[in-house]
Amino acid sequence: GESVGLHLPTLSVQEGDNSIINCAYSNSASDYFIWYKQESGKGPQFIIDIRSNMDKRQGQRVTVLLNKTVKHLSLQIAATQPGDSAVYFCAENNAGNMLTFGGGTRLMVKP
Amino acid sequence: KAGVTQTPRYLIKTRGQQVTLSCSPISGHRSVSWYQQTPGQGLQFLFEYFSETQRNKGNFPGRFSGRQFSNSRSEMNVSTLELGDSALYLCASSFTGTRLDETQYFGPGTRLLVL
Repeated sequence: GESVGLHLPTLSVQEGDNSIINCAYSNSASDYFIWYKQESGKGPQFIIDIRSNMDKRQGQRVTVLLNKTVKHLSLQIAATQPGDSAVYFCAENNAGNMLTFGGGTRLMVKP
Repeated sequence: KAGVTQTPRYLIKTRGQQVTLSCSPISGHRSVSWYQQTPGQGLQFLFEYFSETQRNKGNFPGRFSGRQFSNSRSEMNVSTLELGDSALYLCASSFTGTRLDETQYFGPGTRLLVL
């Protein structure tokens, strides 16, 4: 993933709406992708992962979609709640524990 | 089970000093990775240790070093601190780090400010 620098893109949604967070990755050979959530003052927390041989994976209220053709990942959060407010990162794991992170997207949930 | 712990949580140093940060992985985890997080560069991989050996290294200068002890606890050291080293330093652990789908669990980080 490419770092987007100082200014994180921000997604603002109404509580109860669905959220879609996007991520472009750089390595077409990447085999494994992860979404992390980082709340203020905390380290990244694992949300969901997907292997490159899949194009969709669902968890509890979250779905990850993978489009290898355009090297794009998305994270969908259903019925967004105030507790979902955080910065979301996509990451690629290509070798051992060397994660390559995207720049992150800040999700703000309006009550 | 206790999570990944990092000490200290906050640190203020001056340019030219050195600093040592500590990470205790989740019990049973033997792989420890370190990341630097800054507003400008985002999250970047520093290095990974397994069985007291550095197994992978990111693109950072030699001023950044680390080690791992027999109980899997890890330390990282930054010598001759520069203003640009101000960052949140994150530690992550996993069982072996040999499988791509092995979840890495992150600690809360150490916030380093270099003046």
